Amino acid sequence: GAVVSQHPSRVICKSGTSVKIECRSLDFQATTMFWYRQFPKKSLMLMATSNEGSKATYEQGVEKDKFLINHASLTLSTLTVTSAHPEDSSFYICSSHGRGLTDTQYFGPGTRLTVL
Amino acid sequence: QKEVEQNSGPLSVPEGAIASLNCTYSDRGSQSFFWYRQYSGKSPELIMFIYSNGDKEDGRFTAQLNKASQYVSLLTRDSQPSDSATYLCAVKAQKLVFGQGTRLTINP
Repeated sequence: GAVVSQHPSRVICKSGTSVKIECRSLDFQATTMFWYRQFPKKSLMLMATSNEGSKATYEQGVEKDKFLINHASLTLSTLTVTSAHPEDSSFYICSSHGRGLTDTQYFGPGTRLTVL
Repeated sequence: QKEVEQNSGPLSVPEGAIASLNCTYSDRGSQSFFWYRQYSGKSPELIMFIYSNGDKEDGRFTAQLNKASQYVSLLTRDSQPSDSATYLCAVKAQKLVFGQGTRLTINP
């Protein structure tokens, strides 16, 4: 399968600050990456699809200006949570397709965000 | 109706027994079906994918798909305590949609 990394693995920040999460595909070039959010004991919810060299596609109900996504290279996508508030505290996970397996998604280790 | 439904559990199975996890989906246009395992505090890891009706076996795992009934299942043989986790069913039509997961506990 594909190898996907995320950084940081855990972040605690004050309300009102912005937090950037990086997602890297380590062993292949990913034109598309996905960002999910998972609240405790809930399932994964797709936030947006990140497309290399173009604008991300956001799911209904996800604020584009709140969750900024940049996919500037074939191996890196970033999610910036702007002006974070306690309700943004969640587990953020990115994923990517494996090489040649366009349906199968492999997940990064996730980033635990806690906003105080 | 949820797009992908799973029994949230918890499901308790004795060590060495077969664990059976079920999932139903609503979109008849779904073409790809996945089972992920998620340990507490960790991200999901892929166990199996299945595209065609019938059974697919990989080690101790067997995925079963019945598109007519819109049903997909995962059987785990010789269950081990390390199999204790939440199992997520995911179904893809236009996008990948996850069920809420079934928490499985294997009792030694």
